[in-house]
Amino acid sequence: EPEVTQTPSHQVTQMGQEVILRCVPISNHLYFYWYRQILGQKVEFLVSFYNNEISEKSEIFDDQFSVERPDGSNFTLKIRSTKLEDSAMYFCASRDPLGRTSGELFFGEGSRLTVL
Amino acid sequence: GDSVTQMEGPVTLSEEAFLTINCTYTATGYPSLFWYVQYPGEGLQLLLKATKADDKGSNKGFEATYRKETTSFHLEKGSVQVSDSAVYFCALRTRGETSGSRLTFGEGTQLTVNP
Repeated sequence: EPEVTQTPSHQVTQMGQEVILRCVPISNHLYFYWYRQILGQKVEFLVSFYNNEISEKSEIFDDQFSVERPDGSNFTLKIRSTKLEDSAMYFCASRDPLGRTSGELFFGEGSRLTVL
Repeated sequence: GDSVTQMEGPVTLSEEAFLTINCTYTATGYPSLFWYVQYPGEGLQLLLKATKADDKGSNKGFEATYRKETTSFHLEKGSVQVSDSAVYFCALRTRGETSGSRLTFGEGTQLTVNP
């Protein structure tokens, strides 16, 4: 069964460093998302991406964040200068708006980011 | 803005016990409601959904009914199994959003089922 894959599963970084989290969405999906969950808190929407551009972003998604689909298969989230409060589990998701599962988001296993 | 509130966890039950995880929501418009489950080491998976008032979503023995009058979508299962141990997330999506499928999640409830 097709699935969304994320790498790395866990990354530890120093405050101020750049981090890139990678996602491979399901191949025929057209919408892509990043969510995050700070430990003990809710899963929060960060950004949605469609047709090679951001379609919506939350107030969390400030200038320190960026997303890219560099090669037609990967979907990346970059944090330019990490802060302690960026420590969280980051989930990638994708959606096929045209197929049988048009309403459903498919999530990856998550990438845990720890900022020291 | 939209919000989802789940009952506080964690929840620990014995096998074959009855499960209820409460979920209430606040939303503008007419949201679709979802339960997602996250098994250990895996991603979030859609468990069930309901798109309008009085709809009942069901899957794997779990059920939830969309109650507009009480703005609730409580998850129930009559007899839980050890394999049901996971984190359960209630979520909503408000219709008419331009982004398509932006979800608002609850806090998640950790369920542990003991043999």
